[in-house]
Order: sequence, then C-alpha cells, then structure tokens
Amino acid sequence: KQEVTQIPAALSVPEGENLVLNCSFTDSAIYNLQWFRQDPGKGLTSLLLIQSSQREQTSGRLNASLDKSSGRSTLYIAASQPGDSATYLCAASDSNYQLIWGAGTKLIIKP
Amino acid sequence: NAGVTQTPKFRVLKTGQSMTLLCAQDMNHEYMYWYRQDPGMGLRLIHYSVGEGTTAKGEVPDGYNVSRLKKQNFLLGLESAAPSQTSVYFCASSLSGGASEQYFGPGTRLTVT
Repeated sequence: KQEVTQIPAALSVPEGENLVLNCSFTDSAIYNLQWFRQDPGKGLTSLLLIQSSQREQTSGRLNASLDKSSGRSTLYIAASQPGDSATYLCAASDSNYQLIWGAGTKLIIKP
Repeated sequence: NAGVTQTPKFRVLKTGQSMTLLCAQDMNHEYMYWYRQDPGMGLRLIHYSVGEGTTAKGEVPDGYNVSRLKKQNFLLGLESAAPSQTSVYFCASSLSGGASEQYFGPGTRLTVT
C-alpha cells in the first residue's frame, strides 16, 4: 500500500532564503506526483504536476523534482517571500489514478 | 468561471442526524472527488465519480453515500452522522483521471456533536 510522508511537519525560514520541501513515497509505481498549496481556511491549489516519465517541472520560483528510484520528490522555492507562507502538500497518483496524500509541511516565511 | 463550489461552508450536526453536501463545477470535468481532511493527516478519498451516473468507493467510504445525477454536481450524503465524521470535506474535479490536474473547492467544515 502506497504511503506518502512529508518531513518536516513545519518549517520557519527568513524571507529571501531558498528552501526545499521533501516528499517521500514507498511504492515507486506512481502515475504522477503533484504538489499543492493550502492556505488557512481555503481549498487546495495545484502548483506542479510531474508525470512519472519526467524528472522535474518548473513554474516561476518553484521547481519540483521526481526521483522514482529513491521514492522522493522535492519542491524547491527560490527567494522565499512572506506570501509563500502556507501548507504544502504532495500527493502521488497510484495505478487506480487515485491520489495518496502526505500530511503536509507548514511553511512560515518570516519578514 | 466559479470553478468548484461547495455548499454549505460550515455545519454542525447532532449524532444521528443526516445531511447532504453539494459540490458543483462549471469546467465540464468528467471526474469528481470527495475527500476528508483531518488534523495531522493527509487528505483521504471518500468516493469519486468518473462520469455522470457513475460512482466508486475510495479509501474511507463507510458512513457516506454519493450521487452524480448531473455531470456538474456531486453530492455527498451522511445518513446518520457520527462524531468520527467531524472533519473538513473537500470536493475536487478533474478533466480526466491519471494525468489531469485536480481543482478543489473551498471546503466544508462539519462538526458532529
């Protein structure tokens, strides 16, 4: 059974720093991996989707990588800003196209 | 476009009461999903639908029923609410399964006392 883990559960960094969020999964037979952002009291916003055949995806200051052999994905945020403060979740799509979710990393960017 | 909307935003139920949560999407998506999110845990799939008139069980379907009578709507029903169903419920939709991006509604916070 696929399990997705995100460590750490919370992270606080000063504004301007580059940072990496981690996501690990136990079963490498994933269809794709997605990163989402969740703001308090709000729904989820899709940030990046990496297909199983891809190694990375980029959008603005965000870059997500995928290494299926090691069961890891990372989300790199460049030049962090206070507006980046949110909870970031990753989810792996299994063979039934269902998303298996990590519990998220709560990110705080200090001005 | 409104995207994905959910009704209501908040609800408090007493144990044993029933209710229906409504999800609507205006993107002509085939797939729709209901998730629950509990503190310290990832989202868990309750039920999903791959098209009008179809439904399927997800990871945690017990105590819930769903219907997809119209393509744009996906209803989640609780027949006899239990305190264990206190959670935040999210609806999502996608153009298709697999590679498609999922779009989420704002959520419904349900408390069962």
